[in-house]
Amino acid sequence: AQTVTQSQPEMSVQEAETVTLSCTYDTSENNYYLFWYKQPPSRQMILVIRQEAYKQQNATENRFSVNFQKAAKSFSLKISDSQLGDTAMYFCAFEYGGATNKLIFGTGTLLAVQP
Amino acid sequence: NAGVTQTPKFRILKIGQSMTLQCAQDMNHNYMYWYRQDPGMGLKLIYYSVGAGITDKGEVPNGYNVSRSTTEDFPLRLELAAPSQTSVYFCASSPDREQGYTFGSGTRLTVV
Repeated sequence: AQTVTQSQPEMSVQEAETVTLSCTYDTSENNYYLFWYKQPPSRQMILVIRQEAYKQQNATENRFSVNFQKAAKSFSLKISDSQLGDTAMYFCAFEYGGATNKLIFGTGTLLAVQP
Repeated sequence: NAGVTQTPKFRILKIGQSMTLQCAQDMNHNYMYWYRQDPGMGLKLIYYSVGAGITDKGEVPNGYNVSRSTTEDFPLRLELAAPSQTSVYFCASSPDREQGYTFGSGTRLTVV
């Protein structure tokens, strides 16, 4: 069975600092996709970044980047120059459904950016 | 471009009542999903659809039902509401594996 684990329920970072959120997953698949979603207090789920397992290059979106270690089944999110607006719950998700495109989510990490 | 629209945003139901959560998308996505979010539990898949006329159960389907008569609409039906169905419900759609999901704004449902 596929699983996604986020071992940090809560984290805190000072504004302008860098923080890394951890995510590990378990699968026997070879081709899959990984995602990070952000859920601010507004409750809206927002896609932050995506990574295809076949691509060795780590994905980057502005201040957000990932460290994808396929052999270790690790997919961490790095947020650089943290801003107050980054305060949110962050979910790691693994696309496990193949033709059905289903996602399984971790339990989330609540990130607080302190002024 | 509205994306994924969910209605209502909030609802209180009494035990045993029924209701339908509406979900509509205007992006012509084939894939649509219903998830529920409980505190500390992440999101759990209730039902999904890979196209009009095709639906299937997810991880936690008991107490729910869905239909997909058009590409745009994917309503979720709750029959005989129970307190265990108190949750936040999200509808999402996707065009393919690579793009990820576009989510609706969610429905907070309380069953009392």
